[in-house]
Amino acid sequence: GAVVSQHPSWVICKSGTSVKIECRSLDFQATTMFWYRQFPKQSLMLMATSNEGSKATYEQGVEKDKFLINHASLTLSTLTVTSAHPEDSSFYICSASLTGLPETQYFGPGTRLLVL
Amino acid sequence: DAKTTQPNSMESNEEEPVHLPCNHSTISGTDYIHWYRQLPSQGPEYVIHGLTSNVNNRMASLAIAEDRKSSTLILHRATLRDAAVYYCILVNFGNEKLTFGTGTRLTIIP
Repeated sequence: GAVVSQHPSWVICKSGTSVKIECRSLDFQATTMFWYRQFPKQSLMLMATSNEGSKATYEQGVEKDKFLINHASLTLSTLTVTSAHPEDSSFYICSASLTGLPETQYFGPGTRLLVL
Repeated sequence: DAKTTQPNSMESNEEEPVHLPCNHSTISGTDYIHWYRQLPSQGPEYVIHGLTSNVNNRMASLAIAEDRKSSTLILHRATLRDAAVYYCILVNFGNEKLTFGTGTRLTIIP
């Protein structure tokens, strides 16, 4: 149990376009989902915390107008990278915690974004 | 947030036990000790967590020092599939956010 999926697993896009990444909890409800970014050879950096039905909370230095997060249901959160540029190329990973059990986070497999 | 210190890398032979250390000298009374691991090109995977007592599960054991200022993740019999970056993270009760450090890159030698 506790499986999180992401779609797509990888995407290549042109500079200036927008890309949407979906994160789904497949067999549980997730009140809270998290979005991370990971550059090559580096650790994960938390971008934002997404709560179902409310606005996301962004970490310092993360542009909320560039990284749009929507958490419309207890099983789906989306991250849209707007007007993507080559420096946005990264590995984007989401995670979710079980409703009522915040101690453990379950991570998706990640989405690799390459902006040309 | 209280921070953790881990060795950058470790090597171990296949089928032998592995002890991954973590120092967290500024840990507070409400901090849980969590371990996650990240295999190459994948999202992290939960391994184990504890508060004060040692913990065991099907993946690993967690030994926590009596003063809680350090802990050790124990893989009882390493396999090649255990090659990953292992992260020791303190999580404060009521705060779900995870702050990833650089972790320990574990290499398993066949």
